Amino acid sequence: EDQVTQSPEALRLQEGESSSLNCSYTVSGLRGLFWYRQDPGKGPEFLFTLYSAGEEKEKERLKATLTKKESFLHITAPKPEDSATYLCAVRGGTSYGKLTFGQGTILTVHP
Amino acid sequence: DTAVSQTPKYLVTQMGNDKSIKCEQNLGHDTMYWYKQDSKKFLKIMFSYNNKELIINETVPNRFSPKSPDKAHLNLHINSLELGDSAVYFCASSQDSMTMGAFFGQGTRLTVV
Repeated sequence: EDQVTQSPEALRLQEGESSSLNCSYTVSGLRGLFWYRQDPGKGPEFLFTLYSAGEEKEKERLKATLTKKESFLHITAPKPEDSATYLCAVRGGTSYGKLTFGQGTILTVHP
Repeated sequence: DTAVSQTPKYLVTQMGNDKSIKCEQNLGHDTMYWYKQDSKKFLKIMFSYNNKELIINETVPNRFSPKSPDKAHLNLHINSLELGDSAVYFCASSQDSMTMGAFFGQGTRLTVV
């Protein structure tokens, strides 16, 4: 069974203080690792897909990286508007498309 | 234009009632999903349809019945609602069930009293 564990559960940063979120996973035949951002009262918003170890994707202050067992979401010089819950999910080779999510990391960036 | 839209956004109902949530996507995707997000914000898949065919049915009580009249619509009907059904239900769609990320609707917050 696919499993995803995210850490930390919550992270408080000062504006401009860079940090990383972790996503550890076990999956049979990785068909994609996905990062989403979720704001209160809204649905998850797709950020990145990573397919193979060593792959990196960037978007503004966010950079996602992937190894064979974990993924990191690096946040460089965050701003208060980056505050949200960040969700990691995997799609396995036998999952028929379903995403298995971690519990999320609640990021709060203080001005 | 809203890519994945759900109605209603909020639903408050009494135990034992039957209710439906509707979902429509205008992205031309082949696959649609229902996910449930509990009070701890944990998202878990319930059902998946590919071109109107059910391909995933997780261990969900049979009081929950999805229906896909066409590949752009996936509705969720819930019979005999229970307190434990209170959660946020998300509809999602994706282009290729095996490789692409999914796009989510804004969610339906169901409260059973």
